[in-house]
Amino acid sequence: AQKITQTQPGMFVQEKEAVTLDCTYDTSDQSYGLFWYKQPSSGEMIFLIYQGSYDEQNATEGRYSLNFQKARKSANLVISASQLGDSAMYFCAMRVNTGANSKLTFGKGITLSVRP
Amino acid sequence: GAVVSQHPSWVICKSGTSVKIECRSLDFQATTMFWYRQFPKQSLMLMATSNEGSKATYEQGVEKDKFLINHASLTLSTLTVTSAHPEDSSFYICSVEELAGYNEQFFGPGTRLTVL
Repeated sequence: AQKITQTQPGMFVQEKEAVTLDCTYDTSDQSYGLFWYKQPSSGEMIFLIYQGSYDEQNATEGRYSLNFQKARKSANLVISASQLGDSAMYFCAMRVNTGANSKLTFGKGITLSVRP
Repeated sequence: GAVVSQHPSWVICKSGTSVKIECRSLDFQATTMFWYRQFPKQSLMLMATSNEGSKATYEQGVEKDKFLINHASLTLSTLTVTSAHPEDSSFYICSVEELAGYNEQFFGPGTRLTVL
């Protein structure tokens, strides 16, 4: 079975600073994908970034980067230059079997608050 | 990425009535859609996988007769909560899986159901 663990309590960061949101995962499969989603108070889930298990380089998407440490089974999200609009809940998710129709397993999420 | 809509965005109903929630893929033909349920400040829980033209696959513990899913076309899936009770009050979110790029799931804006 797959498991995603997000244990940080609510996180706070000063505007314009960087913040790291932790995610560890557990799977016995060799082929998997890791995702981060943002959920603002409106409720919509917004895809941020993806890392494949065979990707040798860490994924980056604008201000988002993923610190992928495969041996430690961690996939931490780094948000650089935080903005007030980054305040939201963040979910780490994993998909095993990268074919179509495969399920996502979500962590319990981390609430990020950006202070002005 | 795929654009997904849900209707209604919120609904209040009386206990014992049925409520239908629509999920539409606006710019993408989705053979597969997913239905999730989310309680406040909690993670997303996958309820079922909806396949166009066939029966939905429900997750363990989800009552098939209570949560009826119909995926009648490549752009529309519906979730009907039958004989709703207050404990069914929740945030219901659908998603489609885009079979390109990272095969990431794109989510609808969600439907907030309150059963009185």
